Amino acid sequence: KAGVTQTPRYLIKTRGQQVTLSCSPISGHRSVSWYQQTPGQGLQFLFEYFSETQRNKGNFPGRFSGRQFSNSRSEMNVSTLELGDSALYLCASSLGVTPPREQYFGPGTRLTVT
Amino acid sequence: KNEVEQSPQNLTAQEGEFITINCSYSVGISALHWLQQHPGGGIVSLFMLSSGKKKHGRLIATINIQEKHSSLHITASHPRDSAVYICAVRWLRDGGSQGNLIFGKGTKLSVKP
Repeated sequence: KAGVTQTPRYLIKTRGQQVTLSCSPISGHRSVSWYQQTPGQGLQFLFEYFSETQRNKGNFPGRFSGRQFSNSRSEMNVSTLELGDSALYLCASSLGVTPPREQYFGPGTRLTVT
Repeated sequence: KNEVEQSPQNLTAQEGEFITINCSYSVGISALHWLQQHPGGGIVSLFMLSSGKKKHGRLIATINIQEKHSSLHITASHPRDSAVYICAVRWLRDGGSQGNLIFGKGTKLSVKP
């Protein structure tokens, strides 16, 4: 089975621009979660989706949004980019949320905002 | 205070040593995950626990739900074990529904040959 894929792998954007990141889960997985990792804050939760519904949302500003499609693929969007948005963005997929399931992580998208 | 605390933050060991990494949490949980992250970013799930103990090769993970504490042990450590080990908990809301994952800051392990 193919693993979790994320595109693009690297991205350089300018302050004020917007960006869309994509995540394709493992086949059969219906839950996708997004995380931001920075050296200062570590891993922080952004969103969790199951069957196109947002199940949980982290404590991030409204500039961060996401969605999940009927084929379980997910996208996240960051509008009006700030320098502090520079981070590694990871997505993870799992079979479901309840009961808790093992999470399979993608390689991440490294976003640099200049 | 962070909801998930790991210790130590950094750990240097000699090849062959027995290693223990600790994780304490302050919330009710449905599961605890141990993750491994190598330089370059890729994260691999090592264990998911809700009770007791699990073993995979040289890795052992234990959890004590009453004490809100988990440990990850590595026996006969090897330089290829050098990585960051991250503890994460799936918290439980008061009504019993699943919250999101909350992460510890990670333990950076370096195993010298």
